[in-house]
Amino acid sequence: DIQMTQSPSSLSASVGDRVTITCQASQDISNYLNWYQQKPGKAPKLLIYDASNLETGVPSRFSGSGSGTDFTFTISSLQPEDIATYYCQQYDNLPELTFGGGTKVEIK
Amino acid sequence: EVQLVESGGGLVKPGGSLRLSCAASGFTFSSYSMNWVRQAPGKGLEWVSSISSSSSYIYYADSVKGRFTISRDNAKNSLYLQMNSLRAEDTAVYYCARDRYDSSGLLPYWGQGTLVTVSS
Repeated sequence: DIQMTQSPSSLSASVGDRVTITCQASQDISNYLNWYQQKPGKAPKLLIYDASNLETGVPSRFSGSGSGTDFTFTISSLQPEDIATYYCQQYDNLPELTFGGGTKVEIK
Repeated sequence: EVQLVESGGGLVKPGGSLRLSCAASGFTFSSYSMNWVRQAPGKGLEWVSSISSSSSYIYYADSVKGRFTISRDNAKNSLYLQMNSLRAEDTAVYYCARDRYDSSGLLPYWGQGTLVTVSS
């Protein structure tokens, strides 16, 4: 089984700050990595697919990078509406989908 | 517009059974694989099961294998999850989610979720 380790588990930042979340896979998953945003009481929303591709309609302040085992998700300028929990998800080992533990982003 | 609406959640005793449904609309249901993903209260996301567009391929997480059964009725645009021998640790919001394309591993469409509570 592939394990996905996200860090940090939570962070607090000011509006306008650059926010970075990392996700590490337990084995090489190439670029088979997605990022989701989940707001309280809502379903997850796909933001980034294939490690670095922005989903249609997602603001360009969100970005992703990485390949192999190490991946990064960035919010270039944190906005109040970005308060949410973010999850990485691998799909290298289909049909098994594995999510990271999540990173809760709060406003300082 | 793609819509996925789950139903069937509720309170059930340990060892009991429950059947979840997901009604799909706004797309050709028979062309896409579907998934169930759950989230325990205050916890992260866990993939539960997936089924290919024609039901030819069915997969389960180890945590539910032998207890849960996924199925679909393409004529009714519906996805199901039969849950038997329920345990306290199965308590979660259960989401149905559609793949970007058949067995893509990308889940751009999700329902609102249905809460299953397993408690005596």
